[in-house]
Amino acid sequence: EPEVTQTPSHQVTQMGQEVILRCVPISNHLYFYWYRQILGQKVEFLVSFYNNEISEKSEIFDDQFSVERPDGSNFTLKIRSTKLEDSAMYFCASSVKNEQFFGPGTRLTVL
Amino acid sequence: AQSVTQLDSQVPVFEEAPVELRCNYSSSVSVYLFWYVQYPNQGLQLLLKYLSGSTLVESINGFEAEFNKSQTSFHLRKPSVHISDTAEYFCAVSASNQAGTALIFGKGTTLSVSS
Repeated sequence: EPEVTQTPSHQVTQMGQEVILRCVPISNHLYFYWYRQILGQKVEFLVSFYNNEISEKSEIFDDQFSVERPDGSNFTLKIRSTKLEDSAMYFCASSVKNEQFFGPGTRLTVL
Repeated sequence: AQSVTQLDSQVPVFEEAPVELRCNYSSSVSVYLFWYVQYPNQGLQLLLKYLSGSTLVESINGFEAEFNKSQTSFHLRKPSVHISDTAEYFCAVSASNQAGTALIFGKGTTLSVSS
């Protein structure tokens, strides 16, 4: 069964460093998403991407964040200058329409 | 905009007992409704969904949920739980008037099943 994959599973970085989180969505899916879950809190929407552009973003998704689909398979989330409060589990998801399938997540720890 | 309220943060039950995890939502537009399950140290797995049609939806492992439009609820039920059902359960909603919209999640309910 096809699934969303994410790498790395755990990323540790120093405050102020740039990080890139990578995702491979399910191959025939059209919509791609990033969510985050701060430890002990609910899952929060960051951004959705369709037809090579951002279709929707939350207020969390500020200028420090960017997304890209550099080729036909990868979907990346870049955080330019990480802050301590960016420490969270980041989930990628993809969908054909509305049923979203999630990857296993990348745990980002900012020191 | 949509919002989701999961009324119980923790639900402890004994094995083979019935359980109900409550979810209410608010929205100014029609919605799709979902339940996701997160086992410890794992990602989110879709448990069941309501998109249209029958208001009672079922999962392959015995869970069911009923969409109640008048009460804006989508409660999750299982008549007899197993130890393996111990997990975090998230109710989520998305607007149905457009494909690819954000999922809005509730805060989650921790289901703890003991013997």
